[in-house]
Amino acid sequence: AQSVTQPDIHITVSEGASLELRCNYSYGATPYLFWYVQSPGQGLQLLLKYFSGDTLVQGIKGFEAEFKRSQSSFNLRKPSVHWSDAAEYFCAVGGDYKLSFGAGTTVTVRA
Amino acid sequence: DARVTQTPRHKVTEMGQEVTMRCQPILGHNTVFWYRQTMMQGLELLAYFRNRAPLDDSGMPKDRFSAEMPDATLATLKIQPSEPRDSAVYFCASGLARGVDNGGRNSPLHFGNGTRLTVT
Repeated sequence: AQSVTQPDIHITVSEGASLELRCNYSYGATPYLFWYVQSPGQGLQLLLKYFSGDTLVQGIKGFEAEFKRSQSSFNLRKPSVHWSDAAEYFCAVGGDYKLSFGAGTTVTVRA
Repeated sequence: DARVTQTPRHKVTEMGQEVTMRCQPILGHNTVFWYRQTMMQGLELLAYFRNRAPLDDSGMPKDRFSAEMPDATLATLKIQPSEPRDSAVYFCASGLARGVDNGGRNSPLHFGNGTRLTVT
């Protein structure tokens, strides 16, 4: 069975500070891993994905994520947060498209 | 920019009524998904199609929900009769699944903006 855990329900960060969102997964084989972002009233937008190869993945909007097989983790990072990064972030795992999503982490950015 | 289009954006209806949600996947995508998002359950996969054929609808309550793809440009999700517990945001997503002969790498999923359903 596949599953995703996002331990942090809500994170508040100051504008310009760094951000790290945690994601732990359970998957029987080599996972496909994704991070999506959802702004209020919108659908999910793909930030980045990991299929294989380099374990440090670069995405859009200055985000990156690192796949660590030994820790079953795929944490998302951004060195300097902008107010527009306030949103809900979802980690997902799966193969052949049947994705399981985490419960999401809401990010609030304070001025 | 190609995008997944969902209609309506919002729907308010009374319990017992039929509700139909529509999705236009991105042209050329061969895989279509229906997800439901609620505060309590998060994102749940209801059903998905490959080349218009249903591959998995185990997440869908069969007695009242039905999903179809009448053609490659339209996916529908129907609830009949609707109940208050069906209130949620329903997302459609599409992607291109490539077989092993084509590199085996699926394209990322593209999500629509959702239909917010309220059943009173």
